[in-house]
Amino acid sequence: GAVVSQHPSWVICKSGTSVKIECRSLDFQATTMFWYRQFPKQSLMLMATSNEGSKATYEQGVEKDKFLINHASLTLSTLTVTSAHPEDSSFYICSAPDLGDEQFFGPGTRLTVL
Amino acid sequence: AQSVTQPDIHITVSEGASLELRCNYSYGATPYLFWYVQSPGQGLQLLLKYFSGDTLVQGIKGFEAEFKRSQSSFNLRKPSVHWSDAAEYFCAVGAPGSARQLTFGSGTQLTVLP
Repeated sequence: GAVVSQHPSWVICKSGTSVKIECRSLDFQATTMFWYRQFPKQSLMLMATSNEGSKATYEQGVEKDKFLINHASLTLSTLTVTSAHPEDSSFYICSAPDLGDEQFFGPGTRLTVL
Repeated sequence: AQSVTQPDIHITVSEGASLELRCNYSYGATPYLFWYVQSPGQGLQLLLKYFSGDTLVQGIKGFEAEFKRSQSSFNLRKPSVHWSDAAEYFCAVGAPGSARQLTFGSGTQLTVLP
């Protein structure tokens, strides 16, 4: 099956700094990618839809200036958490659909903000 | 709006016992239905999916699920659980005709006793 990678797998940063998370589709092209956030012991909540060549679409309640998304190419989407604070600590997961619309999920990125 | 309910937060079974995880959905039409498994700190792996046709679908790792339109349910089953099945299980729905944007249930944590 298709593979989606994320980098880094975990990151620790100081409050007020920005963190970039990459999501790559390794063996297929994805014009759309999705970013989810998962709190401990909770489900995945869709944050935004990343669109190659156009602006991302954010879900209600998600601050677009806080979570910057750039879909730089057909295989790469990045999520930048700007001016991170402890409440932004979470597990961030991306996914990308293949041509058959099956979603492939990345392994996730654990963000800890001190 | 579509929603997914997994009524069981935590289930404990003995190794070798049968398993059934419940999932109910709310949607205007029959959505695309999915079951994913997530091991600690890992991304999601697709177990099986239902788009149309035979209401009993087979998945990987010996799992199966049955779609029951009258009950708006898509319960996951396994006849004999293995210790390696201990994980978090998520039911998800996608809009008919597209698996691109998924709505997840709250998850069921499965513990397997030796």
